[in-house]
Amino acid sequence: QVQLQESGPGLVKPSQTLSLTCTVSGGSISTGGYYWTWIRQHPKGLEWIGYIYYSGSTYYNPSLKSRVTISIDTSKNQFSLKLRSVTAADTAVYYCVRAYGSGIDFWGQGTRVMVSS
Amino acid sequence: QTVVTQEPSLTVSPGGTVTLTCASSTGAVTSGYYPNWFQQKPGQAPRTLIYNTSNKHSWTPARFSGSLLGGKAALTLSGVQPEDEAEYYCLLYYGGAQPLFGGGTKLTVL
Repeated sequence: QVQLQESGPGLVKPSQTLSLTCTVSGGSISTGGYYWTWIRQHPKGLEWIGYIYYSGSTYYNPSLKSRVTISIDTSKNQFSLKLRSVTAADTAVYYCVRAYGSGIDFWGQGTRVMVSS
Repeated sequence: QTVVTQEPSLTVSPGGTVTLTCASSTGAVTSGYYPNWFQQKPGQAPRTLIYNTSNKHSWTPARFSGSLLGGKAALTLSGVQPEDEAEYYCLLYYGGAQPLFGGGTKLTVL
């Protein structure tokens, strides 16, 4: 069974860059047909941030597009999220998930990130 | 702005049946929206129960089923168990646009 694990700082200062990495085990990130995705959850609810395909093609939420970069390292079986110029509104639990054409199957356990000085 | 709407809360008795729904502000939900349903318990990550309207994962209990009902996506729990008390979220895919989650339904088993 595929497992995903998020890692990264739990506290980021306002205006700085939030950086998270997702390590995938139990399967290859280079397998076609899957979209390696970041989702976040704050009190308002769940929000799809974006995804990357193993080839490197990406999709970003239009509301975050100007601040987001998702990258992939197939040699390490990892993909990463960078969110620039963060504010308190970016405080959330961040999940990495494996998605495909019509849904999501596996979720990471989530990592809580607080934006605060 | 497109909004996906779920019942904020529902209560069901153990052993009973309950249906949660997921509506789109754009109109009727069809299979082309590939409705997904997730269960989240306190302190845990969401877990996918249903994908593509009615398909179950290997870990999805048989008492959960997905369908389309009256222009909405629906999740039905039959023979509810105490451990089914959780928050349930739906997800709709809007073609080339941003996938959207519903606001969640808090299900109480009482």
